[in-house]
Amino acid sequence: NAGVTQTPKFQVLKTGQSMTLQCAQDMNHNSMYWYRQDPGMGLRLIYYSASEGTTDKGEVPNGYNVSRLNKREFSLRLESAAPSQTSVYFCASSPDGQDLRFGQGTRLTVV
Amino acid sequence: KNQVEQSPQSLIILEGKNCTLQCNYTVSPFSNLRWYKQDTGRGPVSLTIMTFSENTKSNGRYTATLDADTKQSSLHITASQLSDSASYICVVSLNYGGSQGNLIFGKGTKLSVKP
Repeated sequence: NAGVTQTPKFQVLKTGQSMTLQCAQDMNHNSMYWYRQDPGMGLRLIYYSASEGTTDKGEVPNGYNVSRLNKREFSLRLESAAPSQTSVYFCASSPDGQDLRFGQGTRLTVV
Repeated sequence: KNQVEQSPQSLIILEGKNCTLQCNYTVSPFSNLRWYKQDTGRGPVSLTIMTFSENTKSNGRYTATLDADTKQSSLHITASQLSDSASYICVVSLNYGGSQGNLIFGKGTKLSVKP
């Protein structure tokens, strides 16, 4: 089983550029999440989707948008990247909202 | 305020030695506590989960304990190996149900095991 797959693994953007981080899971989980991880800050929730067709803001949603395309896929979009969005982004899915299965992460640098 | 504090922030030990990582939480209402292992450059992977009524849970050389009265948990690693070098993250779930997770993350302890 692939589990949670994120693409791309690495990305460098210039300030003001846009991009979409892709995430797909093959475990038939209802819930999906996007986190960012910064040194000394731990994992912080950006957005989550409790089920197909619903999305909600987490702790740090500003500057991001999400789309729950179907049950498998949950994408994160940066419309106008800023250096403060330099981070490692993790997608996760869960069958019950507590047991998280994480992807491998996307390391994003905004210059 | 719901918080999870982990200590130490980082730890270096020699291969073969034991170590204990600490997690203190002020989370209410408590549902369960998980320890995750995060290897460098990879996503976190769950090691153990404990509910309110459990005070010990083992997974191979990893043993987690929970004292719900003092709101403390520890992760004990026995006979450490080089592959144990990773960050260990303590995560506490709030007992609100639902799918948003209601998860409070600690900042992690970075463990380095040296030969």
